[in-house]
Amino acid sequence: QVQLVESGGGVVQPGGSLRLSCAASGFTFSSYGMHWVRQAPGKGLEWMAHISYDGIDKFYAHSVEGRFSISRDNSKNTLYLEMNSLGPEDTAAYYCARDRATVTTEYGMGVWGQGTTVTVSS
Amino acid sequence: DIQLTQSPSFLSASVGDRVTITCRASQGISTYLAWYQHKPGKAPTLLIYAASSLQGGVPSRFSGSGSGTEFTLAISNLQPEDFATYYCQQLKSYPITFGQGTRLEIK
Repeated sequence: QVQLVESGGGVVQPGGSLRLSCAASGFTFSSYGMHWVRQAPGKGLEWMAHISYDGIDKFYAHSVEGRFSISRDNSKNTLYLEMNSLGPEDTAAYYCARDRATVTTEYGMGVWGQGTTVTVSS
Repeated sequence: DIQLTQSPSFLSASVGDRVTITCRASQGISTYLAWYQHKPGKAPTLLIYAASSLQGGVPSRFSGSGSGTEFTLAISNLQPEDFATYYCQQLKSYPITFGQGTRLEIK
């Protein structure tokens, strides 16, 4: 079945780095744009980044631009989020999500992973 | 950036009730709006896309309407599994943004 599984979360010190992965299965990964979305404790959903199906186009939230980098390896059906200069405000559950439709992002995110937790603390 | 404001932020209702949640955009977004349901510890799920189209597998008691700057999510005949937090999301332009959420609780 269609599935996204995140990994790579954990505890990291302020200023540190972490790389999250999202393994996709059950669909043609290379046909869909992908996103990262996070939820800090007690807060709402916050969109982080989007990458086009071919990896060419990338967009970021202002809060992470320049610190986070989204990428993908279509040969491995895997999405990544490289996170640098982490601060306590980055503590959150991080979800990967797939565009509902191929080619376009305008129809929302139709498939989500269960999330991986990142805690930034000394 | 396009800001989305949901109202109310908190809603208390009973099983069988009909409720509506409003999402207002800071500028016109045509129908580039989606609605999600999110339960603690679970993945969010897409309910409505393109403002009024029901995602496959979502019960027909959920409906969406609106265009431009004002949108509504309606849930009729509330079921116990509907008590959750609901978010609107705009996909008109980057950065993509979510509303602050509406928490729906059992009265």
